[in-house]
Amino acid sequence: EADIYQTPRYLVIGTGKKITLECSQTMGHDKMYWYQQDPGMELHLIHYSYGVNSTEKGDLSSESTVSRIRTEHFPLTLESARPSHTSQYLCASSESGTGRYEQYFGPGTRLTVT
Amino acid sequence: AQSVTQLGSHVSVSEGALVLLRCNYSSSVPPYLFWYVQYPNQGLQLLLKYTSAATLVKGINGFEAEFKKSETSFHLTKPSAHMSDAAEYFCAVTVGFQKLVFGTGTRLLVSP
Repeated sequence: EADIYQTPRYLVIGTGKKITLECSQTMGHDKMYWYQQDPGMELHLIHYSYGVNSTEKGDLSSESTVSRIRTEHFPLTLESARPSHTSQYLCASSESGTGRYEQYFGPGTRLTVT
Repeated sequence: AQSVTQLGSHVSVSEGALVLLRCNYSSSVPPYLFWYVQYPNQGLQLLLKYTSAATLVKGINGFEAEFKKSETSFHLTKPSAHMSDAAEYFCAVTVGFQKLVFGTGTRLLVSP
């Protein structure tokens, strides 16, 4: 069973505030990912990381930023939240190695910007 | 480019009936394929995966999927639906060695 945690689970915040969504995993996985998912919609990759000090932008443009200072931690930051950022944010991780491509997901953070 | 197409945004079945959720893939290289399930207000949970071994893959909760190269399909089935199976199901394919591309999802509705 994968252990990947996200906090907070739910966040309601006003426009213009800075927020950080936390994601941690205890499996020692090298690769980590952030997805954005609107209700009833598909997942869109917004950021990923292959290891410490490695971050890349995903397929969907996002105003958020990420950092990877420790293997187990991959936080996502929005400097100035806007209503258009309202969505569910899912964090995932996966192992390195041939054939180990499945990703393990956290429970998600549902963000509402008012 | 690798992609998956899930046919039917909603599938409704009665409890005890066969569940069939369709997924077709497009890939220029032998694909690795996955099915995930998402319950309300939760993350995605891996149901099963195809990694070029057996073409019939068995997963958790009684689900299975068959990889058919000739049809570029990886449909998900379960012989008898339970109320607890009601959820959103996503098919995914590997892109390169590092990323997954997900389908648009199929919501399974199970009626008593």
